[in-house]
Amino acid sequence: ILNVEQSPQSLHVQEGDSTNFTCSFPSSNFYALHWYRWETAKSPEALFVMTLNGDEKKKGRISATLNTKEGYSYLYIKGSQPEDSATYLCAVQTGANNLFFGTGTRLTVIP
Amino acid sequence: DAGVTQSPTHLIKTRGQQVTLRCSPKSGHDTVSWYQQALGQGPQFIFQYYEEEERQRGNFPDRFSGHQFPNYSSELNVNALLLGDSALYLCASSLTQGLGEQYFGPGTRLTVT
Repeated sequence: ILNVEQSPQSLHVQEGDSTNFTCSFPSSNFYALHWYRWETAKSPEALFVMTLNGDEKKKGRISATLNTKEGYSYLYIKGSQPEDSATYLCAVQTGANNLFFGTGTRLTVIP
Repeated sequence: DAGVTQSPTHLIKTRGQQVTLRCSPKSGHDTVSWYQQALGQGPQFIFQYYEEEERQRGNFPDRFSGHQFPNYSSELNVNALLLGDSALYLCASSLTQGLGEQYFGPGTRLTVT
């Protein structure tokens, strides 16, 4: 079992604000880091997969970075919109190819 | 191209009963993983199937079993249901080759009374 921690647990931001979340994990036996967005009553949607230390990925207003040496990843949302409201999950993939999830960060963007 | 589908959407069972949940993977995917998400927690890995065999297993009792069929679809069976088995059960499919990026279904909400 891998202990993956996410912070904050939840946050509320005003529309237009930028925000970021943290995912922390043990560095040992690391293969990849996944970020998912999960809207209520829908399937978790894959955002990014990162494998190398220093990796950065971007999709529109959302970006992510990875530091495997210190065991953390940041997810950034620039200019938050109400449709960004969701739970953001990170998961660590070990060499065994299964995912260990954090408990998620619930984001609410207030119009 | 259909994504991952799961059935049923919701299910209510009584303690001690048995339940079977079903999953059809995304077209072209050969690996199916099952996760349990209890209230307030992240999804917990139950097991993974590839080539009709259980390839990996998380920290779940033997009451949880599964099956993968030749068309890659999968079932999750839970025997002797406990109240604590109430959760959202997620199925995810992936390709064994490559990064193993997993695509999730919408889940089955199981309530044990």
